Amino acid sequence: GAGVSQSPSNKVTEKGKDVELRCDPISGHTALYWYRQSLGQGLEFLIYFQGNSAPDKSGLPSDRFSAERTGGSVSTLTIQRTQQEDSAVYLCASSFRQALQGDTQYFGPGTRLTVL
Amino acid sequence: AQKVTQAQTEISVVEKEDVTLDCVYETRDTTYYLFWYKQPPSGELVFLIRRNSFDEQNEISGRYSWNFQKSTSSFNFTITASQVVDSAVYFCALSVTNTGNQFYFGTGTSLTVIP
Repeated sequence: GAGVSQSPSNKVTEKGKDVELRCDPISGHTALYWYRQSLGQGLEFLIYFQGNSAPDKSGLPSDRFSAERTGGSVSTLTIQRTQQEDSAVYLCASSFRQALQGDTQYFGPGTRLTVL
Repeated sequence: AQKVTQAQTEISVVEKEDVTLDCVYETRDTTYYLFWYKQPPSGELVFLIRRNSFDEQNEISGRYSWNFQKSTSSFNFTITASQVVDSAVYFCALSVTNTGNQFYFGTGTSLTVIP
């Protein structure tokens, strides 16, 4: 079946602009996760959704970052007033069961964001 | 606090050699899960294995094997008879019971297999 998809695959923007990154999880997966991978770094957890709710937003780096999920499916990560330090690959993952710790996460191909 | 350490930043081996990638984790939870993912040059993370804290049996899948030792908090990954297609960045990750399945990733080990 189809895996996790993300769009756009690449995004180049100017400092100060807003960007929206989209994630479409595997059909039937109830949990969705966002991570950020900076050049040469590991993956930094940003936020997760159980259904449409985000129980913990403490991983978001600043109040310029927000995310939502509608219909228990597609999620959008929005970065307002982008800064150069926001340049990274943003990865989305989904897992089948809701709030079951240890459930395998399946990752999308990522969106490479470059802020000039 | 949870932490995963992959001390090997880069490894190079010649094709057909065996290679072991180290992963050391820290957690005070008694129930946790450990994962390995492969990130080839294309960039997409590929799931390799999931192991829970109550199952210390080693696992073998083809040329891949995993050695889980709670006594040393390690979950090492061995590739036998390495191939060029094994060249990738490998990440070890930890999930604990109290943080909503948030994964804690190591910084990855970049493996290059030289033909």
